[in-house]
Amino acid sequence: GAVVSQHPSRVICKSGTSVKIECRSLDFQATTMFWYRQFPKKSLMLMATSNEGSKATYEQGVEKDKFLINHASLTLSTLTVTSAHPEDSSFYICSADDGRIYEQYFGPGTRLTVT
Amino acid sequence: GQQVMQIPQYQHVQEGEDFTTYCNSSTTLSNIQWYKQRPGGHPVFLIQLVKSGEVKKQKRLTFQFGEAKKNSSLHITATQTTDVGTYFCARSSGSRLTFGEGTQLTVNP
Repeated sequence: GAVVSQHPSRVICKSGTSVKIECRSLDFQATTMFWYRQFPKKSLMLMATSNEGSKATYEQGVEKDKFLINHASLTLSTLTVTSAHPEDSSFYICSADDGRIYEQYFGPGTRLTVT
Repeated sequence: GQQVMQIPQYQHVQEGEDFTTYCNSSTTLSNIQWYKQRPGGHPVFLIQLVKSGEVKKQKRLTFQFGEAKKNSSLHITATQTTDVGTYFCARSSGSRLTFGEGTQLTVNP
């Protein structure tokens, strides 16, 4: 099946710094990539949808200047959490689809801890 | 918003017992997807239901889509410890998914 990778898997950063998370589709070209946030024992909350070469579409309530998304190629999307604060600590998961079928392929997630 | 409500939030069963999680929407769904997330893992696609009254089976898992396309269920027969995890339903709007709150299943051996 299709594989999506994320890097890093875990990151600890200090408050005020920025963190970049990469999401790659390894064996297919991702028409669309999605970024989710998940709190412990909670559901996945869609943050934004990104298409290669265009601006991301953010969900209501998600600050686009806080969570910068870049989808530079059909296999790579990045999420940068700018000026991170402890409340940004969470599990961030990306997913991708290849535009042909409805199934989304999820990455393994990145656990961000802001101290 | 167009949410999907999922119950129960938690379910503890003894190995061998059956398990069911339910997903409900106040509006008609074009389709419903089901995902499983193991502890510490990421969601993995299980199935998509599209047709009214549709029933699909995957080994011990049975998925149903209501006649009115407003509810869905996932039933596991004779649970095993490998079934442990959180099961999410999700409605799709184009390629955007809105997830239910999930049902966390624990199985006592």
